[in-house]
Amino acid sequence: AQTVTQSQPEMSVQEAETVTLSCTYDTSENNYYLFWYKQPPSRQMILVIRQEAYKQQNATENRFSVNFQKAAKSFSLKISDSQLGDTAMYFCAFMKPDGNQFYFGTGTSLTVIP
Amino acid sequence: DAGVTQSPTHLIKTRGQQVTLRCSPISGHKSVSWYQQVLGQGPQFIFQYYEKEERGRGNFPDRFSARQFPNYSSELNVNALLLGDSALYLCASSLADYSGNTIYFGEGSWLTVV
Repeated sequence: AQTVTQSQPEMSVQEAETVTLSCTYDTSENNYYLFWYKQPPSRQMILVIRQEAYKQQNATENRFSVNFQKAAKSFSLKISDSQLGDTAMYFCAFMKPDGNQFYFGTGTSLTVIP
Repeated sequence: DAGVTQSPTHLIKTRGQQVTLRCSPISGHKSVSWYQQVLGQGPQFIFQYYEKEERGRGNFPDRFSARQFPNYSSELNVNALLLGDSALYLCASSLADYSGNTIYFGEGSWLTVV
């Protein structure tokens, strides 16, 4: 079974500062995908960034980057130059390569303070 | 192009009643998945359909059922509603049924059971 753990229920960061959200997961799979999704008050899940486990290079998308540590089963999200629009729930998710089933963590509520 | 559309957006039902939720995937997408998100938790996988066939089922009772139509839209049915079924129900669509594709979520249907 796959499990995803987000140990930070709530976090806050000053506008323009950097924040890191933590995620750990447990799986016996060797190949898989990891995701960070953002859920603003509108409740629509929006893909932030994706990482393929077979790639050693950490994924980056503009101000968002990840620190993927496969051996440690850790997948943290770094948000640089935080903006007010980054305020949302952030979910870490795992997916096996043979299916479309996400395994989500419990989420981290991020507040960007002006 | 329209994104993933879900209806209704909000509804209130009484315990014991039945509910049908609807989802229209992005044009060209053949895979539809359903997730239940209870307040304060991450989404939990319910079903995945691809080309009108069930490809995956989560750990939900038989009161939950779904189907996919020839136009790839989908319905989620829940019978004998319980208070614990109160949640946001999310639909997600993708081109195919393997995780190399980007998966898009709708804004969800809020179900309140009283």
